[in-house]
Amino acid sequence: AQTVTQSQPEMSVQEAETVTLSCTYDTSESDYYLFWYKQPPSRQMILVIRQEAYKQQNATENRFSVNFQKAAKSFSLKISDSQLGDAAMYFCASYSGGGADGLTFGKGTHLIIQP
Amino acid sequence: DVKVTQSSRYLVKRTGEKVFLECVQDMDHENMFWYRQDPGLGLRLIYFSYDVKMKEKGDIPEGYSVSREKKERFSLILESASTNQTSMYLCASSLKGQETQYFGPGTRLLVL
Repeated sequence: AQTVTQSQPEMSVQEAETVTLSCTYDTSESDYYLFWYKQPPSRQMILVIRQEAYKQQNATENRFSVNFQKAAKSFSLKISDSQLGDAAMYFCASYSGGGADGLTFGKGTHLIIQP
Repeated sequence: DVKVTQSSRYLVKRTGEKVFLECVQDMDHENMFWYRQDPGLGLRLIYFSYDVKMKEKGDIPEGYSVSREKKERFSLILESASTNQTSMYLCASSLKGQETQYFGPGTRLLVL
């Protein structure tokens, strides 16, 4: 069984600053994927970034990057130059089902952007 | 772009009613999923399907059933709605062999 833990129910950051959201996971699988999803107040869940466990290089997508520490089973999300549109719930998720299985989600972190 | 749609954004039902939540995807995805989202609990998998007429139980299938008669459509059924099924329901889909799932906008269900 997989578990995903997000220890920060809520985070707040000033606009244009950098914020890091924490996530730890546990899995017995050797081949797995990790994700960060964003859910703005409109509720549509959007994929922010994904990381293949076999890749050592940290994934980046514009202002979003991850710090993937495989041995520590840690997968944090860094948002640089925070913008008001980044305000949302952020969910960390893991997957190891071979293509036909559900994602395992953390409980989410509510990110507030202070103007 | 992948588009996943859900039949209703908001739904109000009474205890004991049979409830159908519909999900349609337009990208020919083989896999479809139903999740339930509750504050402080994240998303939990109810059921998923990897092909027409196929279904697999997720982590919390009790009180729910599903139907997949066509590839593009995946229905979640609450046979007899109860107040503890008040929640946000999210549908998702993915290609066979692909791990990235695409989500619909969600249906907020209130059971009175």
